[in-house]
Amino acid sequence: DTGVSQDPRHKITKRGQNVTFRCDPISEHNRLYWYRQTLGQGPEFLTYFQNEAQLEKSRLLSDRFSAERPKGSFSTLEIQRTEQGDSAMYLCASSLASRNEQFFGPGTRLTVL
Amino acid sequence: GESVGLHLPTLSVQEGDNSIINCAYSNSASDYFIWYKQESGKGPQFIIDIRSNMDKRQGQRVTVLLNKTVKHLSLQIAATQPGDSAVYFCAETNPNNYGQNFVFGPGTRLSVLP
Repeated sequence: DTGVSQDPRHKITKRGQNVTFRCDPISEHNRLYWYRQTLGQGPEFLTYFQNEAQLEKSRLLSDRFSAERPKGSFSTLEIQRTEQGDSAMYLCASSLASRNEQFFGPGTRLTVL
Repeated sequence: GESVGLHLPTLSVQEGDNSIINCAYSNSASDYFIWYKQESGKGPQFIIDIRSNMDKRQGQRVTVLLNKTVKHLSLQIAATQPGDSAVYFCAETNPNNYGQNFVFGPGTRLSVLP
């Protein structure tokens, strides 16, 4: 257990529905990252926050995806109008701005039917 | 638990033998590298890191070698144990996105045989 938690661990939804995932980072970590991982691939960067500011978004992050970190602590990732291609593991990681090491949560497995 | 990397390259080693996992990276500007271990149903776990001003770094039972000339990274695990069975990813970052996000390689599944 790295200290990063994600909820839910599994989510099954029907195409077209909206889903929201939550990440609770290690409490003193000011950076928070979201990645997506599909079977047989390494994690792909989606976006990251420093405190409450979203500083970078990948081109992978379509306009159906939105992430927030309103108080600089927990973060949510919302996917609107889900598509089957959104099925993946969504990983959250956190780090200190002064350190490179990112600590990953267990992920949320999304299945879109 | 869930399976990670069903179609990944697989390295099978006998328990007690040494393992060598290789990774090629593409960005010559990358200056920081990490090896992660991912067990089924879990997120990646940090193993060891190395900066581009080094060519070797050792940890407990693990050694990372960096060859910048051919853009190659390797992870050596000494006396491989059953608990080492997992998928291993290398990840790189560069001064343009230092500490912001990592680019992960495709991964290698390590299978330790009894």
